[in-house]
Order: sequence, then C-alpha cells, then structure tokens
Amino acid sequence: EAQVTQNPRYLITVTGKKLTVTCSQNMNHEYMSWYRQDPGLGLRQIYYSMNVEVTDKGDVPEGYKVSRKEKRNFPLILESPSPNQTSLYFCASRSTGRASTDTQYFGPGTRLTVL
Amino acid sequence: KNQVEQSPQSLIILEGKNCTLQCNYTVSPFSNLRWYKQDTGRGPVSLTIMTFSENTKSNGRYTATLDADTKQSSLHITASQLSDSASYICVVSAREYGNKLVFGAGTILRVKS
Repeated sequence: EAQVTQNPRYLITVTGKKLTVTCSQNMNHEYMSWYRQDPGLGLRQIYYSMNVEVTDKGDVPEGYKVSRKEKRNFPLILESPSPNQTSLYFCASRSTGRASTDTQYFGPGTRLTVL
Repeated sequence: KNQVEQSPQSLIILEGKNCTLQCNYTVSPFSNLRWYKQDTGRGPVSLTIMTFSENTKSNGRYTATLDADTKQSSLHITASQLSDSASYICVVSAREYGNKLVFGAGTILRVKS
C-alpha cells in the first residue's frame, strides 16, 4: 500500500529539548516536504526536498532543520523547540516537483506540544 | 502576495442535501487547482486536480469547477453523507515558484442526520 508514515504521532516535550520527527514514503517519490498546520491558517511549508541531498527552505523554516540522505526518508529536526512550534505537522511526498499535476500524498500528522 | 481564500469558514447541512464550497485565489500564473478532504486528525487526501484549461472535474459525488478568468473555483457535494464531515481545502499550484502549493485555510463541513 502506497503511504507516507510519520513518527511519533503525538509528542509532548519541553522548551529546548531537541527532537526529531521521522517521515518515510514507500512510493519512490523524489519530492518530499514538511508542513505545519495551525488553527485558522492553511498548511504552511517548512522545508522541501527535490531529491536526495537537495533541500530548500519553505515559507516558515525558522527553528527547523531537515536532511535527505535517502530517497525514502525526510526527518524534521527541532534543535531547540519553543512553545510557538506547538502545531500539527504533516510530511508529504509526490513523484516529482516538476510535473504540475502530481498527486501529493500526506502522512497522518504529528501533533507536537512544546511546554 | 499569492493567496487562496475559501468560504464559508464552516457549514452545517442535513444528510442528503447538496452543498457548494467556494475558493477564490490570486495566485498567478498558476498551474493547477486542487481540492483536498481532511478528516479530523488525519492528513489531507486529494479529491480533484484541474489544470487551467479544465473547467470541471468529478470524483464520485464531488464535482469541482474552475473559472480561470475570474480566479474562482467551487466544490459541489451531492447527496451529502455523514462521512463527508471534514475540512475541505483548496490548493493552488504556483507555476512561477516551481509548482509550489499555496493552501487555503479550509471550509469545515459538518453533515448531521
């Protein structure tokens, strides 16, 4: 079954404690991205990756890092989380960032609370 | 600034009734317009994708329309079911920015019996 998986699904942490949210896709997609979703706002892109070792900032990259060492994995790293990073996070993938009608698949989401 | 605005913010309808959700956008030039359904606590799932040359696309009881001249789209749901209760998100792909997706805030639909 084609899917995007994220772990953990729920996380409560404290300010300053480094954390990583993992993302993996089994569709051999080149393009992967991270979004955050906050009440009343549309999904906002944090970082994206066009392929292995190719990453770039999205609209709200401050406080986040990513890496793309393998095609299937795209972890999101919060080096020093702060309360304003409390949000619902989604990983997504699509076959390529170049074709305009690629279907984008989303993971199930990770609900992060930073105290 | 490229924006996607949806209306209404929320909507309650009776099971079996039809409804129409609206999307206005200023993204230009754009490659395509997508509608997603997002169930509570789940990731968005694609319903339709329309290029600028298409003016209607159906997926079962969901029909999306697009007027590229007025930069408006609508999603019509026919014979609503309880399982249609979800957030519906309009997404426009910005051609100028390498097909970056610009998301609307969504319309929350509740179907009640």
